[in-house]
Amino acid sequence: EAQVTQNPRYLITVTGKKLTVTCSQNMNHEYMSWYRQDPGLGLRQIYYSMNVEVTDKGDVPEGYKVSRKEKRNFPLILESPSPNQTSLYFCASSSGLAGVEQYFGPGTRLTVT
Amino acid sequence: AQKITQTQPGMFVQEKEAVTLDCTYDTSDQSYGLFWYKQPSSGEMIFLIYQGSYDEQNATEGRYSLNFQKARKSANLVISASQLGDSAMYFCAMREASGGSNYKLTFGKGTLLTVNP
Repeated sequence: EAQVTQNPRYLITVTGKKLTVTCSQNMNHEYMSWYRQDPGLGLRQIYYSMNVEVTDKGDVPEGYKVSRKEKRNFPLILESPSPNQTSLYFCASSSGLAGVEQYFGPGTRLTVT
Repeated sequence: AQKITQTQPGMFVQEKEAVTLDCTYDTSDQSYGLFWYKQPSSGEMIFLIYQGSYDEQNATEGRYSLNFQKARKSANLVISASQLGDSAMYFCAMREASGGSNYKLTFGKGTLLTVNP
């Protein structure tokens, strides 16, 4: 089954404790992206990657890092989480062709206290 | 200026009736794509329908159709014969060709649809 998986699905952590949210896709997609969703703001892009070792900032990259060492994986790293990073995070992937839908992971609900 | 505007924070519809969810967009690109996603209370994002800027026909997928009016820059989602399971948040999104290799989707703020029995 074609899918994007994220782990963990839920996470409560404290300010400053480094964490990683994993994302993996089994569709051999070149393009992967992270979004965050906040009430009243819709989804906003954090980072994206066009292929292995190729990553770039989206609209709200501050406080986040990513890496793309393998085509299937695109982890999101919060080196020093802060309460304003409490949000619902989505990983998405696409073959990169225009008009092709982006497949979204199930989401990770992160709370930073 | 917002690139995607969804003016209806919430909508109510009776089961089996049709409903239209509004979406207007703003872009100077000639090539772009418009998407609708559904987000049920469980949180996942479900792709519903896509319309390309050069597509002359309105897109349809089962009970979903997209009323594309290019000159008015609107891409309204029409759901026919509403079902209780259609109750969810609906997002309109756009991908612009000027994004280059970034296939970023720009999302609206969403419309919460409630289907009443």
